[in-house]
Amino acid sequence: DAKTTQPPSMDCAEGRAANLPCNHSTISGNEYVYWYRQIHSQGPQYIIHGLKNNETNEMASLIITEDRKSSTLILPHATLRDTAVYYCLGGGGADGLTFGKGTHLIIQP
Amino acid sequence: DTGVSQNPRHKITKRGQNVTFRCDPISEHNRLYWYRQTLGQGPEFLTYFQNEAQLEKSRLLSDRFSAERPKGSFSTLEIQRTEQGDSAMYLCASSPKDWTYEQYFGPGTRLTVT
Repeated sequence: DAKTTQPPSMDCAEGRAANLPCNHSTISGNEYVYWYRQIHSQGPQYIIHGLKNNETNEMASLIITEDRKSSTLILPHATLRDTAVYYCLGGGGADGLTFGKGTHLIIQP
Repeated sequence: DTGVSQNPRHKITKRGQNVTFRCDPISEHNRLYWYRQTLGQGPEFLTYFQNEAQLEKSRLLSDRFSAERPKGSFSTLEIQRTEQGDSAMYLCASSPKDWTYEQYFGPGTRLTVT
């Protein structure tokens, strides 16, 4: 699995877009980029994944650079309930996920 | 779709005792995963099943740990002769697909070994 690097923490004002960066310079051509989040005292929650193209679902958008060495998760209108630890992962199979320490996103009222 | 459930949610045990946790995956999800999470860290992979077959075990899974998934439905994780270092949140996840990391996690079982 690719090694990923994320800032340990970020703040964002409620109602604004939250942009969470992730570096994955060692990702291989067939490895997907996945994002999960974990709200305090809950299990991780799948958000979105992508390979090359940008992706959007009801929760977020994922922007992957053309060289695939980095990506940005975008929460378009952050709410207080989006306060969580966000994990960026790289992988290509169906084996166990390798989580780092993630980014603790704090949404400020 | 009722989600992944885990029981018990909390377990306090004395060092040296055996404990068993249960995970019920989302119906018809053929992959089931176990993770362990300690405070301030991301979850660490322990093992996973495809149907009833245990396909991979992490080196974190010592001989005191055993997992089963009889009949390919629910799974149990047993820890024998618990140690204080086993105190953690034990998470279960299931996946509907064989080729992606789209996993759905349960709420976890918090184990405290005194």
